[in-house]
Amino acid sequence: QKEVEQNSGPLSVPEGAIASLNCTYSDRVSQSFFWYRQYSGKSPELIMSIYSNGDKEDGRFTAQLNKASQYVSLLIRDSQPSDSATYLCAVIGSSNTGKLIFGQGTTLQVKP
Amino acid sequence: DTEVTQTPKHLVMGMTNKKSLKCEQHMGHRAMYWYKQKAKKPPELMFVYSYEKLSINESVPSRFSPECPNSSLLNLHLHALQPEDSALYLCASSQGSATYNEQFFGPGTRLTVL
Repeated sequence: QKEVEQNSGPLSVPEGAIASLNCTYSDRVSQSFFWYRQYSGKSPELIMSIYSNGDKEDGRFTAQLNKASQYVSLLIRDSQPSDSATYLCAVIGSSNTGKLIFGQGTTLQVKP
Repeated sequence: DTEVTQTPKHLVMGMTNKKSLKCEQHMGHRAMYWYKQKAKKPPELMFVYSYEKLSINESVPSRFSPECPNSSLLNLHLHALQPEDSALYLCASSQGSATYNEQFFGPGTRLTVL
């Protein structure tokens, strides 16, 4: 079992819709969860971090964390073509070394 | 200034060359990282420096040699690389290297080994 799992996609949504990206992790004591957006040929850009169960909202983005289910998700409201990118879920596990463990990434396509 | 900078943007080198990648941050962060990313794969951690000391080496071959001259600078010295080392090399920084620290990436250096 991979430590952090994401559906590779592509996930295709129409412009204006809600895109829902999901991630599961295996280390039960993980405490920090991050979503990065990566455009083709560019470096990862941090868009959300979440540490506690529940929802965290920032503009059109909402991160959701459920530690009991070992599940973290990212919702993008009013999706725009400029949101088309690969979204990487990353987790810092129990080692407390700051080592980010990435999922394989989900490719999102927002169609005009 | 919330930026991590990396130079050069692109680098082409032969297998016998010696080159260096450079990374700089002015956010007062005390942890800096080197990652390697191959096409369509997530970044893979190579090294972590915490308070200018090497704290993690992810069993990286010795042809990659990191250096942290001060808290703002991070170098990666390259020697006798192989074509399979061609990748995007990413530098990142965070306030510390503990659990809750967000890591911010630089733009990367695209390395091609001939």
